[in-house]
Amino acid sequence: DVKVTQSSRYLVKRTGEKVFLECVQDMDHENMFWYRQDPGLGLRLIYFSYDVKMKEKGDIPEGYSVSREKKERFSLILESASTNQTSMYLCASRVSGSVYEQYFGPGTRLTVT
Amino acid sequence: AQSVAQPEDQVNVAEGNPLTVKCTYSVSGNPYLFWYVQYPNRGLQFLLKYITGDNLVKGSYGFEAEFNKSQTSFHLKKPSALVSDSALYFCAVRDPEYGGATNKLIFGTGTLLAVQP
Repeated sequence: DVKVTQSSRYLVKRTGEKVFLECVQDMDHENMFWYRQDPGLGLRLIYFSYDVKMKEKGDIPEGYSVSREKKERFSLILESASTNQTSMYLCASRVSGSVYEQYFGPGTRLTVT
Repeated sequence: AQSVAQPEDQVNVAEGNPLTVKCTYSVSGNPYLFWYVQYPNRGLQFLLKYITGDNLVKGSYGFEAEFNKSQTSFHLKKPSALVSDSALYFCAVRDPEYGGATNKLIFGTGTLLAVQP
């Protein structure tokens, strides 16, 4: 079974803090994704990476950055957390190729106070 | 613009009755369609996908989905609902503007399925 793990299930941070969310997958997948999930808005793509050191902006990249130094790990960084970044963050990975589904981690619920 | 719509925020059904969760899409070219389920406090789990071929696709947990090209729909169905099917369901379509291997997905807003005992 594919396993995607995220470093924290729940996280509380203060406004202005730098926040790191980590995602690790164990299936040697090339593609990795970061989404945020908000009620009524579904999932919105923040950033994705199609291979090591490669990244592309998704639909809502403002206020976020990412890092992919190793194939199995994809980090989401909030440079200066704000209250409007309070959300559920989901990481996903998949094999490269357009017909393949994404596999999701359990999510990190981030609260910024 | 490419999009996916789930017109119902919530669907209520009695246990044992058939269920349908609706999804319509608007994309250029041939759509690649997916259904995911999210149980409380969990990540999304893949249920099924349509890429090509038979319009009726079977997936996990007894779910199936029917691809209808003329109606641009991909409704999720199950013949007999279980209380344990209660969850949030997401429809997604591949964004054709990101061609090749990357397969960026466009997600719907989700439909909450509530199955009453």
